[in-house]
Amino acid sequence: EAQVTQNPRYLITVTGKKLTVTCSQNMNHEYMSWYRQDPGLGLRQIYYSMNVEVTDKGDVPEGYKVSRKEKRNFPLILESPSPNQTSLYFCASNSRWGRETEAFFGQGTRLTVV
Amino acid sequence: GQQLNQSPQSMFIQEGEDVSMNCTSSSIFNTWLWYKQDPGEGPVLLIALYKAGELTSNGRLTAQFGITRKDSFLNISASIPSDVGIYFCAGQPLDNMRFGAGTRLTVKP
Repeated sequence: EAQVTQNPRYLITVTGKKLTVTCSQNMNHEYMSWYRQDPGLGLRQIYYSMNVEVTDKGDVPEGYKVSRKEKRNFPLILESPSPNQTSLYFCASNSRWGRETEAFFGQGTRLTVV
Repeated sequence: GQQLNQSPQSMFIQEGEDVSMNCTSSSIFNTWLWYKQDPGEGPVLLIALYKAGELTSNGRLTAQFGITRKDSFLNISASIPSDVGIYFCAGQPLDNMRFGAGTRLTVKP
């Protein structure tokens, strides 16, 4: 079954404690991205990757890092989380850039930073 | 930053009514996509539009890619309780995908 898997689904952490949210896709997609969802703001892109070792900033990259060492994995790293990073995070992947951009989303990670 | 204006923000309708929502953009898009997000889940693609003027249906859903390439609408006919959720439009200009803020739909039985 084609899917995007995020872990964990829920996470409560304290300010400043480094954390990683993992994302894995089994569809051999080149393109992967991370979004955060906040009430009234929709989905805002944090980072995206067009292929292995190719990453770029989205609209709200501050406070986040990503890496793309393998095609299937695209972890999101918060080196020093702050309360304003409390949000619902989604990872997505799609097969091609430009056409047929049906993005498959993971189930989300609800992060609370206290 | 975000370039899409999606309206309305929320809708409360009676079961059986038709629903219409739309998105407008300040720039031209090559692709318009409509997603639905159920509570506790990630967004799922409903309809994809690739050509200006294109009108596409998926069951009770109909979406159109505006002629100017700066807008799109989604209609849902004869709504049912399982239509409840948040609907997002997404558009792709030359470089990157943008999402609207979402329309939260509530259907009263």
